Amino acid sequence: DQQVKQNSPSLSVQEGRISILNCDYTNSMFDYFLWYKKYPAEGPTFLISISSIKDKNEDGRFTVFLNKSAKHLSLHIVPSQPGDSAVYFCAASANTGTASKLTFGTGTRLQVTL
Amino acid sequence: DSGVTQTPKHLITATGQRVTLRCSPRSGDLSVYWYQQSLDQGLQFLIQYYNGEERAKGNILERFSAQQFPDLHSELNLSSLELGDSALYFCASSPHTDTEAFFGQGTRLTVV
Repeated sequence: DQQVKQNSPSLSVQEGRISILNCDYTNSMFDYFLWYKKYPAEGPTFLISISSIKDKNEDGRFTVFLNKSAKHLSLHIVPSQPGDSAVYFCAASANTGTASKLTFGTGTRLQVTL
Repeated sequence: DSGVTQTPKHLITATGQRVTLRCSPRSGDLSVYWYQQSLDQGLQFLIQYYNGEERAKGNILERFSAQQFPDLHSELNLSSLELGDSALYFCASSPHTDTEAFFGQGTRLTVV
């Protein structure tokens, strides 16, 4: 049962345009959401996160939006740069207070073209 | 550099064998997580330790086991290896259990 879903395995965007990566989840207990970026032969790198008490979090070119009623979050990258080309993983956590684990989606490969 | 160190980076072994993957978390991080990434798959959570104690378990096979030592480094033991165990194994650490995790570069295991 895939509790975190990234339905688009790949996305191609022109440099300078907006990249929108989407993520859906099914577990209503999730209260913390993260995006990780992964380059080949490297481990995932934390990018940005959002708590369920917010609906938007912004960090430079990266903005994450959370729609709790739709159980949907998205990552916007504006403007997209060639160095943003990577696999992006959405992750979610249900913090029990004593243990929390990240449940990851299958990733979306972003290609930013010149 | 995330500060999480995994060794070895690559490992090639035969079916039926046993291997140990090692993870040194970031200095001060108490929580260690292990994830498996098979070809074109997402990251599958295996197990989490916090300050030496097992805290959460995911889809970890009975042939696999892990532990976290007093110095907070962790080892993942994989036994009776099968071809399907070939994957990238990532370790991640975080200061506690409710903060974002920082990943190592992974160990690529190839079972032949």
